[in-house]
Amino acid sequence: DTGVSQDPRHKITKRGQNVTFRCDPISEHNRLYWYRQTLGQGPEFLTYFQNEAQLEKSRLLSDRFSAERPKGSFSTLEIQRTEQGDSAMYLCASSLRDRGTEAFFGQGTRLTVV
Amino acid sequence: DAKTTQPNSMESNEEEPVHLPCNHSTISGTDYIHWYRQLPSQGPEYVIHGLTSNVNNRMASLAIAEDRKSSTLILHRATLRDAAVYYCILRDYGSEKLVFGKGTKLTVNP
Repeated sequence: DTGVSQDPRHKITKRGQNVTFRCDPISEHNRLYWYRQTLGQGPEFLTYFQNEAQLEKSRLLSDRFSAERPKGSFSTLEIQRTEQGDSAMYLCASSLRDRGTEAFFGQGTRLTVV
Repeated sequence: DAKTTQPNSMESNEEEPVHLPCNHSTISGTDYIHWYRQLPSQGPEYVIHGLTSNVNNRMASLAIAEDRKSSTLILHRATLRDAAVYYCILRDYGSEKLVFGKGTKLTVNP
């Protein structure tokens, strides 16, 4: 068990560009979550999947954001037409349905929009 | 989402116990109390959770007030590796999301 893996760890992009992040959850974890964290704040929930179904999306997830988990394994988070306000740490977490309580987080992808 | 209130920061000395308080006066009957911590440059890490009774695990103990309006995370012997931001979170049994506040930044002095 190698834990939740996120790629890339860091991304610098120019305003207006599209970016995509990948998350590989712990194998056999059927629930996957995306959070965003800005400096000095706690993580904010963005969305979650149960297997391949996206079951909840935060109002923070604007139309420029899209997340997928096509085969119920890894997930991608895409941000289109990035803005400076998108600069943050994007965290992925996974959990087992049966446990339901303990989420395992990855180390995150730090996005800087210049 | 029910809210929690935590001190912004606390300090402790190495090898001493640490008591991290959390107030949650609007807690509902189905809210579980969760604690996560976040070390520098890391994602959050689960510490412990409970509903009504006090809980112990290898990392910490959770003491829950009888009226459930407050709780305390207890680190029995703080180490330098325990320096982190500690988040107290109320999570409804049927909810999938964790609602983080700003947490308590714990500094451990050698």
